[in-house]
Amino acid sequence: GQNIDQPTEMTATEGAIVQINCTYQTSGFNGLFWYQQHAGEAPTFLSYNVLDGLEEKGRFSSFLSRSKGYSYLLLKELQMKDSASYLCAVKSWGAGSYQLTFGKGTKLSVIP
Amino acid sequence: DGGITQSPKYLFRKEGQNVTLSCEQNLNHDAMYWYRQDPGQGLRLIYYSQIVNDFQKGDIAEGYSVSREKKESFPLTVTSAQKNPTAFYLCASSQGDNEQFFGPGTRLTVL
Repeated sequence: GQNIDQPTEMTATEGAIVQINCTYQTSGFNGLFWYQQHAGEAPTFLSYNVLDGLEEKGRFSSFLSRSKGYSYLLLKELQMKDSASYLCAVKSWGAGSYQLTFGKGTKLSVIP
Repeated sequence: DGGITQSPKYLFRKEGQNVTLSCEQNLNHDAMYWYRQDPGQGLRLIYYSQIVNDFQKGDIAEGYSVSREKKESFPLTVTSAQKNPTAFYLCASSQGDNEQFFGPGTRLTVL
């Protein structure tokens, strides 16, 4: 089976940097996605890692270590609009197809 | 504009009634998915379809049914057999195993 862990909630200050961690235990690992979801809205794609290392995209970066089953999302220069839930999702191969398994999400509150 | 539409945004039904949620995409994606999201829970996969006229059960398929008669459409029926149907339902599509794009969701409340 798949097991994905993320902190439930985090709070950070506007302008600061925050790191959201995700650990996973899975078979057939084939990549890891990060999504952002504002309350009551659809998740939107942020990043994808399939190889070890850091992927940078503007204020957001994502890191993956496959040997440790670990990823993090780094948000720099936090803005109030970054208050949202951040979902870690693991792509794995099984039963003849790829599937995504989502963590429960980390609710980030950005305060002035 | 390409995208995924779900309707309606809010849906109320009486207990014991079947209800069908619509999902349409014009992204020309082969794969489509239905997820359920409950407070404090991650997205859980209900059904998915990789090509027209084919679909597979996800982790929580009991009490749900789907069809995939057209590439653009993947409706989900919540049947009376679903014990706790009140939830936020999200439809998604993807091209192969690339990132999934989500619709705006339907919030179903069973009274």
